[in-house]
Amino acid sequence: GENVEQHPSTLSVQEGDSAVIKCTYSDSASNYFPWYKQELGKGPQLIIDIRSNVGEKKDQRIAVTLNKTAKHFSLHITETQPEDSAVYFCAAIGGSQGNLIFGKGTKLSVKP
Amino acid sequence: EAQVTQNPRYLITVTGKKLTVTCSQNMNHEYMSWYRQDPGLGLRQIYYSMNVEVTDKGDVPEGYKVSRKEKRNFPLILESPSPNQTSLYFCASRGVRTGAGYEQFFGPGTRLTVL
Repeated sequence: GENVEQHPSTLSVQEGDSAVIKCTYSDSASNYFPWYKQELGKGPQLIIDIRSNVGEKKDQRIAVTLNKTAKHFSLHITETQPEDSAVYFCAAIGGSQGNLIFGKGTKLSVKP
Repeated sequence: EAQVTQNPRYLITVTGKKLTVTCSQNMNHEYMSWYRQDPGLGLRQIYYSMNVEVTDKGDVPEGYKVSRKEKRNFPLILESPSPNQTSLYFCASRGVRTGAGYEQFFGPGTRLTVL
């Protein structure tokens, strides 16, 4: 079945810097790759997603890139702000039922 | 407001005392799922349901039961809780019809402690 690896597990950046989180997946049939943000005490919330027929997608300060050949995708956050501090999860669709398989998460800390 | 609700939000119980965590969604979603979140392990799927009366095991189903008698509700049942089920639990839902997209909506979480 699908397996998703996520790195790094923790990331600390200075406000205004960029942050990059990387994920790899194992199932070449996977075709949907979302990123979720989990703030303290809350459930994960979708922030951006990409489908396998697209190489890059951008939404204001966040962007996601996908390399199907290498089976990896990345989240890029530019001009980070303290409110970007959270745990970020990548995921990929796996299996015939379309279950999301999650990475183990990255705790991002943005220091003012 | 479109949302997934869970109750209770916090629960402390003792080993062996049956409990149910309720989950309800108001988006008419066919797909519902339960996850547990543990430090360093991310989100692991317990059970999921593709529609009413259709449930299936996820990656970590041992010690849990679910039911899907109505489209909006998907309760998680722990018949005999044990300390290793101490965790943060999330319910989620999404549509599955063509054009619904894959966006999955999560509830606020239930923090369970089994003593």
